[in-house]
Amino acid sequence: DVVMTQTPVSLSVSLGGQVSISCRSSQSLVHNNGNTYLSWYLQKPGQSPQLLIYKVSNRFSGISDRFSGSGSGTDFTLKISRVEPDDLGVYYCGQGTQYPNTFGAGTKLELK
Amino acid sequence: EVKLLESGGGLVQPGGSMRLSCAASGFTFTDFYMYWIRQPAGKAPEWLGFIRNKANGYTTEYNPSVKGRFTISRDNTQNMLYLQMNTLRAEDTATYYCARMGFDYWGQGVMVTVSS
Repeated sequence: DVVMTQTPVSLSVSLGGQVSISCRSSQSLVHNNGNTYLSWYLQKPGQSPQLLIYKVSNRFSGISDRFSGSGSGTDFTLKISRVEPDDLGVYYCGQGTQYPNTFGAGTKLELK
Repeated sequence: EVKLLESGGGLVQPGGSMRLSCAASGFTFTDFYMYWIRQPAGKAPEWLGFIRNKANGYTTEYNPSVKGRFTISRDNTQNMLYLQMNTLRAEDTATYYCARMGFDYWGQGVMVTVSS
């Protein structure tokens, strides 16, 4: 299985600040078709995970441009700028390139 | 509006069986692969498997961790997705979600507890 390693485990941020979350995969996430199926999700307390970013850098419908994804191959980053209270929760990266699809262990974003 | 609503969870004894259902609405069900994902409390989600769309013959793929015990099926006349779980173990205790292809929409989840 592809192992997804997220860092840091937790992050404290002030409202209005900027944070970055790293996600590293144990194998390249470039699919045979040339696409890279790396996504980012936010799970707010008591809710289901929600899709933020797909295929590395594409924002899902309705997602603020304060969220941006980048990276390639095995190294990926999610950046959140101008952090708002509604951004708090656990962020997961996930890969859909290989079966079984796998997720990182999560990064908890908290207020400083 | 896309909606996914799971049902059928609860408490089951080790070795028992349970079937979860997921009612889908707001999109053309037969066009989409559909997935089951579970999440133990405080842990990361785990992909269980999926069933393909009409164009791909409704075939299935499973995580090896549950292959042979779990079966995914769909009723395309009712826009329903199912997860049949057999020989349940304590480590199957989790919140179970159905999700649409691309994981762009998830249900609210249903809790399954395997305990005597």
